Amino acid sequence: DAGITQSPRHKVTETGTPVTLRCHQTENHRYMYWYRQDPGHGLRLIHYSYGVKDTDKGEVSDGYSVSRSKTEDFLLTLESATSSQTSVYFCAISDFSDRGKTSWNTGELFFGEGSRLTVL
Amino acid sequence: AQKITQTQPGMFVQEKEAVTLDCTYDTSDQSYGLFWYKQPSSGEMIFLIYQGSYDEQNATEGRYSLNFQKARKSANLVISASQLGDSAMYFCAIPRNLIFGKGTKLSVKP
Repeated sequence: DAGITQSPRHKVTETGTPVTLRCHQTENHRYMYWYRQDPGHGLRLIHYSYGVKDTDKGEVSDGYSVSRSKTEDFLLTLESATSSQTSVYFCAISDFSDRGKTSWNTGELFFGEGSRLTVL
Repeated sequence: AQKITQTQPGMFVQEKEAVTLDCTYDTSDQSYGLFWYKQPSSGEMIFLIYQGSYDEQNATEGRYSLNFQKARKSANLVISASQLGDSAMYFCAIPRNLIFGKGTKLSVKP
């Protein structure tokens, strides 16, 4: 199994408080992602990183920020949590080689176990 | 915009029967990898099967197979001989293009 750990696994917080979720990998994969999962929406990408200090927004990035100061760690921060950010958050990692017909990594996503966040 | 469509929010299948879960996608890339993941009620995401866009044969992994029709941009998952443990959410995805389907909830009836 890919070495990905998320912390905390469960958190209950109040509206307006800051929250940071941590994703740690031991696979040295270049790409790291934060998704949120809500009923009826599947997995939606919040932010992703393609290298140290290289990040980009996903489709639901408002209200979230990320940082990646080391290959192995990708932090997701809610500066001021709102009830709409109650969700299950998944971190994932992957790796790709250059595109080519026969010689590229599949780009399989390996997921962490998820972090359940409740904002009251 | 690139996207994946899973048109079946929920499905039922009788134990031991086969079931097909639909997935259509829209990407302008010629080279891509398409994945199916399973998420049981315990919450973890489990890789099931992978299809490369240039693979000439449809992917198979045990009881799972893909009906991959590249021209139609369709990659339906076929589960043969359904088991009670197959009850779960199933997601189709092209991770490199950062797109995920909304999932299909499969319920296997005894």
